[in-house]
Amino acid sequence: DQQVKQNSPSLSVQEGRISILNCDYTNSMFDYFLWYKKYPAEGPTFLISISSIKDKNEDGRFTVFLNKSAKHLSLHIVPSQPGDSAVYFCAASASYNTDKLIFGTGTRLQVFP
Amino acid sequence: DTAVSQTPKYLVTQMGNDKSIKCEQNLGHDTMYWYKQDSKKFLKIMFSYNNKELIINETVPNRFSPKSPDKAHLNLHINSLELGDSAVYFCASSQDSGPWSTEAFFGQGTRLTVV
Repeated sequence: DQQVKQNSPSLSVQEGRISILNCDYTNSMFDYFLWYKKYPAEGPTFLISISSIKDKNEDGRFTVFLNKSAKHLSLHIVPSQPGDSAVYFCAASASYNTDKLIFGTGTRLQVFP
Repeated sequence: DTAVSQTPKYLVTQMGNDKSIKCEQNLGHDTMYWYKQDSKKFLKIMFSYNNKELIINETVPNRFSPKSPDKAHLNLHINSLELGDSAVYFCASSQDSGPWSTEAFFGQGTRLTVV
């Protein structure tokens, strides 16, 4: 039972354009969401997060949007750069169990020149 | 100066063997975790320790036993290794200072291959 889903295993975007990575969740108790970035042979690194009291959080080129009614969040990267090429994991947690992060399966982003 | 370090990075072993993966964090965090990333790239939590106390113990075989000698270390011992244990195992830590502080710092992963 996969509570956090990233339905696109890969995405290819031209440098300078916008990258949009999507994530859906099923558990309505989730109230905190995170995006992690992972390079090959390295552990995931935290990128950006959003709590359910917001619908948007922005940090430089990275913006996360949350649509609670649709149980959907997305990560926008603008402009995309070749160094953004990595696997991006969406993760979620519920405030009643903050130690437990549930991860999606990841989306591989490739930014080409 | 690695924040979360795991050793070894690669581990190849035969079925039936017992092996350990070590993890250390120098961030002063209270909570440490073990995650398993399977062949489908699904990252799933296995264990969570807070101040040396087991908090989460997901449905993993009891051949897997975490050991936390102090809050900076969380080692994973696996008995009687099976082919299906082959995966990348990630250690992580977090400050755990409230419901909005669940950002975790991950180690580089240990690729375990059971042959």
